[in-house]
Amino acid sequence: GNSVTQMEGPVTLSEEAFLTINCTYTATGYPSLFWYVQYPGEGLQLLLKATKADDKGSNKGFEATYRKETTSFHLEKGSVQVSDSAVYFCALINGSSNTGKLIFGQGTTLQVKP
Amino acid sequence: NAGVTQTPKFQVLKTGQSMTLQCAQDMNHNSMYWYRQDPGMGLRLIYYSASEGTTDKGEVPNGYNVSRLNKREFSLRLESAAPSQTSVYFCASSEQGAGTDTQYFGPGTRLTVL
Repeated sequence: GNSVTQMEGPVTLSEEAFLTINCTYTATGYPSLFWYVQYPGEGLQLLLKATKADDKGSNKGFEATYRKETTSFHLEKGSVQVSDSAVYFCALINGSSNTGKLIFGQGTTLQVKP
Repeated sequence: NAGVTQTPKFQVLKTGQSMTLQCAQDMNHNSMYWYRQDPGMGLRLIYYSASEGTTDKGEVPNGYNVSRLNKREFSLRLESAAPSQTSVYFCASSEQGAGTDTQYFGPGTRLTVL
């Protein structure tokens, strides 16, 4: 079945450090891949997405590239800020879906210290 | 636009009590979803409604029922609450339920069952 695996957290970085959060997936066909972010006390919001192989999603300085050969969608940011502290979820939707059912990873907590 | 709204924000129940979580969206979306979020487990789909008048089970439907009241509203009912249903509940919606759709999330309901 479809599944998403994220690196274990929490991840603690100093401000301006480089961020990588690893995400790998198992899916049949050609899924769409997403990163959602959850700030403290809030619901999830879309950070970026990629819908086909080799696509790069980007937003707010974050990037992730859809790598079909390694079944990965790692999240990166060159210089994190304290305001980036949040929980990050990698997720997929099966490419043939007509229901939009998201499969989530377990989430990675990022804490950025000044 | 308010987006996706949920009520209540917090609720404490005793084992065996019932309650209904309300969700509404004002984006004219066809598809709506209910998830639960538990520590270390990401979000898991409880029920979804691909379009008005239809509902289907997700990954963890036991102990829950849903009603798609109209295109805007999708409620989740706990008939006899159990401590295992202590969780944060999120409602979400998407335009068509297609594989590339973005889901928009409400702020969540934090439920504690004693």
